[in-house]
Amino acid sequence: QLVESGGGLVQPGGSLRLSCAASGFSFSNYGIYWVRQAPGKGLEYVSSISSNGVATYYANSVEGRFTISRDNSKNTVYLQMGSLRAEDVAVYYCAREFQAYGGYVWFDPWGQGTLVTVSS
Amino acid sequence: DIQMTQSPSSLSASVGDRVTITCRASQSISTYLNWYQQKLGKAPKLLIHGASSLQGGVPLRFSGSGSGTDFTLTLSSLQPEDFATYYCQETYSMHRTFGQGTKVEMK
Repeated sequence: QLVESGGGLVQPGGSLRLSCAASGFSFSNYGIYWVRQAPGKGLEYVSSISSNGVATYYANSVEGRFTISRDNSKNTVYLQMGSLRAEDVAVYYCAREFQAYGGYVWFDPWGQGTLVTVSS
Repeated sequence: DIQMTQSPSSLSASVGDRVTITCRASQSISTYLNWYQQKLGKAPKLLIHGASSLQGGVPLRFSGSGSGTDFTLTLSSLQPEDFATYYCQETYSMHRTFGQGTKVEMK
């Protein structure tokens, strides 16, 4: 399973670090994704990291402000969020990317999500 | 970036109805397409991967089809627990883009 933590209220321009703690599977074998959902809105890709942490990817909307990392010794992925804006308000989910044959991948499981609120 | 467009954005249906949701990709993605179900306040749940392969434990009333740019999720007989929002997701690109969602409401 995956458990997110670290969400909360932060002022505009502030920073926050989210954590995604994994258990029950070989964490170092899987890529991890962050997906967010603004209130009443759909799912939006945020960032992802490869199993060994070498490859990282970001949505254009967070590039340069967010940094993803992982510590395989702690079975945890982090999302360091900076220069936070009102439009970053969302529930942030982490998800494991399961890789199957033929390049097919899917997200399973997902965490329960952690809410980030940006307000003065 | 690949854009994913679902239609309709919402629909009203009754228990027992057949429901069809469409997802269109802005470029060909072969069959690199997943479907998820999300209930209010919960994380998404995987239903279908590879456009048509049912995830273990998902009821057989769910089915998926399509390839290239056009895909369909079908619920053959809507059940009370199926009222939720459904999302398609492409996995052709590294951004794994989602559609905007289709909310299935009770008529």
